Amino acid sequence: KAGVTQTPRYLIKTRGQQVTLSCSPISGHRSVSWYQQTPGQGLQFLFEYFSETQRNKGNFPGRFSGRQFSNSRSEMNVSTLELGDSALYLCASSLDQGPTYEQYFGPGTRLTVT
Amino acid sequence: AQRVTQPEKLLSVFKGAPVELKCNYSYSGSPELFWYVQYSRQRLQLLLRHISRESIKGFTADLNKGETSFHLKKPFAQEEDSAMYYCAPDSDTTSGTYKYIFGTGTRLKVLA
Repeated sequence: KAGVTQTPRYLIKTRGQQVTLSCSPISGHRSVSWYQQTPGQGLQFLFEYFSETQRNKGNFPGRFSGRQFSNSRSEMNVSTLELGDSALYLCASSLDQGPTYEQYFGPGTRLTVT
Repeated sequence: AQRVTQPEKLLSVFKGAPVELKCNYSYSGSPELFWYVQYSRQRLQLLLRHISRESIKGFTADLNKGETSFHLKKPFAQEEDSAMYYCAPDSDTTSGTYKYIFGTGTRLKVLA
């Protein structure tokens, strides 16, 4: 099976702009989670989508949003970008929701906000 | 809720020395635990799961219910083991729903 893919791999944006990141999960996986990874804060949970519904959300401002399509592909949107949003954004998919299911990660999208 | 803690942010060992990355959990039932690893410039990936009881790249992890631990061990560290290691999941159910989250992790540096 093909692994989790994320596009684009790299992005450079200016403060105040918005950005959309895309994630294609492994075929058959219904759960998609998004994480923000920075050297200072580590791996922080953004949100999880399952069968097109946002099931969980982390402690991020409303500028961070996402959605999941019927084919399980997911997008994450960040509006009004701030310098502090510069990070590696990881997408992970799993077969189902819950602690027993392994998370499969994508390579990430490196976002730089200038 | 299942909670995990990794007490060490950084662990440095010399090549050939034994390695033990600590993970403690709190859970009243039977936990579901994994070790994930992230090598430099590679994607985060599963290393071990507690139910498999297998050895991957020389690493093993035994679930110790008496000590509520799931430490990751390797008898002889190699330089290529240098990476970030996460014990997971640390679940958060304060909102009433389940979140698969990761702790701060432990960075392992194997010195030549």
